[in-house]
Amino acid sequence: AAGVIQSPRHLIKEKRETATLKCYPIPRHDTVYWYQQGPGQDPQFLISFYEKMQSDKGSIPDRFSAQQFSDYHSELNMSSLELGDSALYFCASSLGGGGLRAFFGQGTRLTVV
Amino acid sequence: GENVEQHPSTLSVQEGDSAVIKCTYSDSASNYFPWYKQELGKRPQLIIDIRSNVGEKKDQRIAVTLNKTAKHFSLHITETQPEDSAVYFCAASMRVTGTASKLTFGTGTRLQVTL
Repeated sequence: AAGVIQSPRHLIKEKRETATLKCYPIPRHDTVYWYQQGPGQDPQFLISFYEKMQSDKGSIPDRFSAQQFSDYHSELNMSSLELGDSALYFCASSLGGGGLRAFFGQGTRLTVV
Repeated sequence: GENVEQHPSTLSVQEGDSAVIKCTYSDSASNYFPWYKQELGKRPQLIIDIRSNVGEKKDQRIAVTLNKTAKHFSLHITETQPEDSAVYFCAASMRVTGTASKLTFGTGTRLQVTL
């Protein structure tokens, strides 16, 4: 069965650069979540979208922005990267909004040097 | 906002023994409680979930119980196997039609199953 696809899998950027992470949800899923996970930590919620509209917002820095497109894929744009942005970034998708089964992608490992 | 506490942070059991992980949540409006298993460097994988209208759910060696009054829920793994070794996260969310309310995660339990 098709799963959540994230690209790229690995990304190395320098400080102050920009990065774009992409997420392709499970087909027919209309809900996307973005999470950031540091080493040994639990996933921290960044932002979510339902039916292409921003739905919930967590501890997402102002330097980050995200959107969900008409085909339901989502992109997380990160600017003015800092060393502390180095982490695993996960996207998850579900069908029908929150409070339903959410499935995670493989993640993008971002390293800022 | 929702706050989820999870205990213990580490748990070591012998193969064949049972493991229990406990979580408490703060928001009585939360009504969906999934559990995820995460191996090092990999994605969280949904292993079982429960809704607030159910007190217990079982899937082979895994079971989850929910006490709405006390606002706590637990994961039970029986007959543990080495491949059960991983970090387990509980989470809480609420089902509100037309929104994508977040999953709030507990801090994780590192389960080690020894031979």
